[in-house]
Amino acid sequence: DADVTQTPRNRITKTGKRIMLECSQTKGHDRMYWYRQDPGLGLRLIYYSFDVKDINKGEISDGYSVSRQAQAKFSLSLESAIPNQTALYFCATGGGAGEKLFFGSGTQLSVL
Amino acid sequence: GDSVTQMEGPVTLSEEAFLTINCTYTATGYPSLFWYVQYPGEGLQLLLKATKADDKGSNKGFEATYRKETTSFHLEKGSVQVSDSAVYFCALSDQAGTALIFGKGTTLSVSS
Repeated sequence: DADVTQTPRNRITKTGKRIMLECSQTKGHDRMYWYRQDPGLGLRLIYYSFDVKDINKGEISDGYSVSRQAQAKFSLSLESAIPNQTALYFCATGGGAGEKLFFGSGTQLSVL
Repeated sequence: GDSVTQMEGPVTLSEEAFLTINCTYTATGYPSLFWYVQYPGEGLQLLLKATKADDKGSNKGFEATYRKETTSFHLEKGSVQVSDSAVYFCALSDQAGTALIFGKGTTLSVSS
């Protein structure tokens, strides 16, 4: 089984719809992250969490929310999807400052 | 704020050619530096890292040296293979150790 599992792998939705992307990890790490990848822009941080009670905004949090349901689960929601949120979304987990991150395989989201 | 700049691609090489992908960074303090690789359809995975000045990270024939005087962490490989075709990301850990900051990525295409 993968260390970090993201569901769904692909999703097509319409403008204005609410959508949730889910992430679970088996590494036992406290830290979890959501990034989005856009061509030519690299990866940008949306939200991060250092434990169940700790949620922090990243560089591009507007239009997104998150929920840390358990140490192993971290979901990302788009309350009202818009086309410029079309991107590849990655969840990641890591052990601490300066440590490597383990990434999921990504969710390709298309907002029409 | 902290940032990473890497050479734009795509980089197109023949098998067995020498590879250099340039990466420079701006940061306060002494960040850890990373190279991640993303193969088609997959998430990012750590290729190598260095945590202090003059450290050399190496893996799978790839190398990068942490050069504080030039704020650089260039990726090199002496003889690339078709299987090295991927997107390569340079990254640093921010000063607070909060998250990784990524460059925009460089696409490498190797032909036989």
